[in-house]
Amino acid sequence: GDSVTQTEGLVTLTEGLPVMLNCTYQTIYSNPFLFWYVQHLNESPRLLLKSFTDNKRTEHQGFHATLHKSSSSFHLQKSSAQLSDSALYYCALSDTGSFNKLTFGAGTRLAVCP
Amino acid sequence: GALVYQYPRRTICKSGTSMRMECQAVGFQATSVAWYRQSPQKTFELIALSTVNSAIKYEQNFTQEKFPISHPNLSFSSMTVLNAYLEDRGLYLCGARDRLDFNYAEQFFGPGTRLTVL
Repeated sequence: GDSVTQTEGLVTLTEGLPVMLNCTYQTIYSNPFLFWYVQHLNESPRLLLKSFTDNKRTEHQGFHATLHKSSSSFHLQKSSAQLSDSALYYCALSDTGSFNKLTFGAGTRLAVCP
Repeated sequence: GALVYQYPRRTICKSGTSMRMECQAVGFQATSVAWYRQSPQKTFELIALSTVNSAIKYEQNFTQEKFPISHPNLSFSSMTVLNAYLEDRGLYLCGARDRLDFNYAEQFFGPGTRLTVL
């Protein structure tokens, strides 16, 4: 079945430093959709980025990611971390044949310190 | 805009009892509704996928007998947790997809129902 692997556990950064959260996936489908969701404390996950186009950078709220099918990756990046970026980040996958089923990674907790 | 409401937001039930949670889509037609559970310290697991006018598909380890789902129209779905025990605690999320959204596959999530089992 499908699977998503993310940077494990906790990533701690000082404010202003770049953010890089890794996401790789495995799927039998040739046209997967990849998503990044962000979940702040006591809130539901909110869509941050999505992509299904190979080698095209997608950006939102200062974050960006590029789907690379050759390496099955969809890493999340930001040039300068802010305190408000502290949250849980989930990489998720769905396929074009079944948009409704999301397979989530284990989540990466990002903590940004002053 | 597309919004998904869930209620109750929080609920506490005694071990062995049942509780029902609801999901409502506003501003779009939710052809498909996915129910997920986030257990403490874990990621989201898909419980079942419900599509109007189709059979509900349950994932492995989840059954209709334990998590019966109703999806009577394009704006409403409900799920019941029967005979809840400690392992059923967590955040239950409803994710709905717009039937007109053929290209981007985005699911809109509700705020979740947090279940505590005593």
